[in-house]
Amino acid sequence: SYELTQPPSVSVSPGQTASITCSGNKLGNKYVCWYRQKPGQSPVLVIYQDNKRPSGIPERFSGSNSGNTATLTIGGTQTMDEADYYCQAWDSNTVVFGGGTKLTVL
Amino acid sequence: QVQLQESGPGLVKPSQNLSLACTVSGGSISSGTYYWNWIRQPAGKGLEWIGRISSSGSTDYNPSLKSRVTISLDTSKNQFSLNLNSVTAAETALYYCARGGYTAGWFDPWGQGTLVTVSS
Repeated sequence: SYELTQPPSVSVSPGQTASITCSGNKLGNKYVCWYRQKPGQSPVLVIYQDNKRPSGIPERFSGSNSGNTATLTIGGTQTMDEADYYCQAWDSNTVVFGGGTKLTVL
Repeated sequence: QVQLQESGPGLVKPSQNLSLACTVSGGSISSGTYYWNWIRQPAGKGLEWIGRISSSGSTDYNPSLKSRVTISLDTSKNQFSLNLNSVTAAETALYYCARGGYTAGWFDPWGQGTLVTVSS
């Protein structure tokens, strides 16, 4: 079955750029979405179709997808961005989620 | 805007059936341009997609659960439902419903989730 691999944790200083990767075989041939989940809250879509932002998501959130790796980039990271982030793609009519990355802003 | 709310028993015995409903407000479930999904998350763990149903009633399920899952629509109540039979303790989780896009397969918005504990 298809797998998406994310680093378990990423740390970034406030105001710096955070990059979270998501790896999968020929992932660049699929659309990737990203979700942010804060403790005790439901996931929120922050990027869809590789690099599109839903309304209400700040411009500092961006995405890219090429080859075997998709990347979520958060520019000018703020303490409010501290959360778990999950990537997601479709393969063979089934949804696959990455294992999640805990972003720490310190 | 569209909102989703899960409901159902919080406790299910092992080997029995888990049944949940998701009520959609702010939009019609039969609008034809979205899928309606169930996703679960065990405490402290990642997300697992269970399955989806379109406004026309066509379904897709996670292959690992396909033999035990049924998702159905009730357009009169603007609801869709999940039925998962023969559950085990390992299926204790927060169960979410979410609206899904037809193209690119995103999920937005999500319900607040409902905790289902499988225990005797």
